[in-house]
Amino acid sequence: NAGVTQTPKFRVLKTGQSMTLLCAQDMNHEYMYWYRQDPGMGLRLIHYSVGEGTTAKGEVPDGYNVSRLKKQNFLLGLESAAPSQTSVYFCASSWHRVYEQYFGPGTRLTVT
Amino acid sequence: AQSVTQLGSHVSVSEGALVLLRCNYSSSVPPYLFWYVQYPNQGLQLLLKYTTGATLVKGINGFEAEFKKSETSFHLTKPSAHMSDAAEYFCAVTHGYGQNFVFGPGTRLSVLP
Repeated sequence: NAGVTQTPKFRVLKTGQSMTLLCAQDMNHEYMYWYRQDPGMGLRLIHYSVGEGTTAKGEVPDGYNVSRLKKQNFLLGLESAAPSQTSVYFCASSWHRVYEQYFGPGTRLTVT
Repeated sequence: AQSVTQLGSHVSVSEGALVLLRCNYSSSVPPYLFWYVQYPNQGLQLLLKYTTGATLVKGINGFEAEFKKSETSFHLTKPSAHMSDAAEYFCAVTHGYGQNFVFGPGTRLSVLP
């Protein structure tokens, strides 16, 4: 039982490049989330999904897109990376909004 | 809208001393409250949670927290700090009425020998 996994663990992009971060969970959770973590700002929600085929915007969605084609996977895309997107990205999943969230190990992204 | 404040971005305690990390929330409806711990270069792990029922909640690694509605607080305590407790701690709140988790800014705990 791997829980929540994220790939890649590290990535360096140049401004304007694109990439996709993959999150996978094996707990059959309905809800999945993408956060970014920046020093002194806690975790900020980028996008989330309440079930397969659904996505919704969170607190800081600009510059990101997501897809949830399969229940166990939640993809986060950056179409044209900017230095402001340098951050650590965490994926999480849960049974429901009021249940605890389980987090992946994170992806450290640097945009130069 | 909900919000979470954590007093003190950095707290230092001596090994064996009491740990007290403060969390205050704002919510117009009954909240669900959580404490998470993050060790360096890792994801967040759940320490404990309050949903309903007993207001004193016990978690892993000897931590506990008490929900005080009148004070809108959910402070995290541990009677005796251990070096392995050095980490960042996040308080989070939700109420489930279409509201996702709101995380506090975090408190970094240092444990001095």
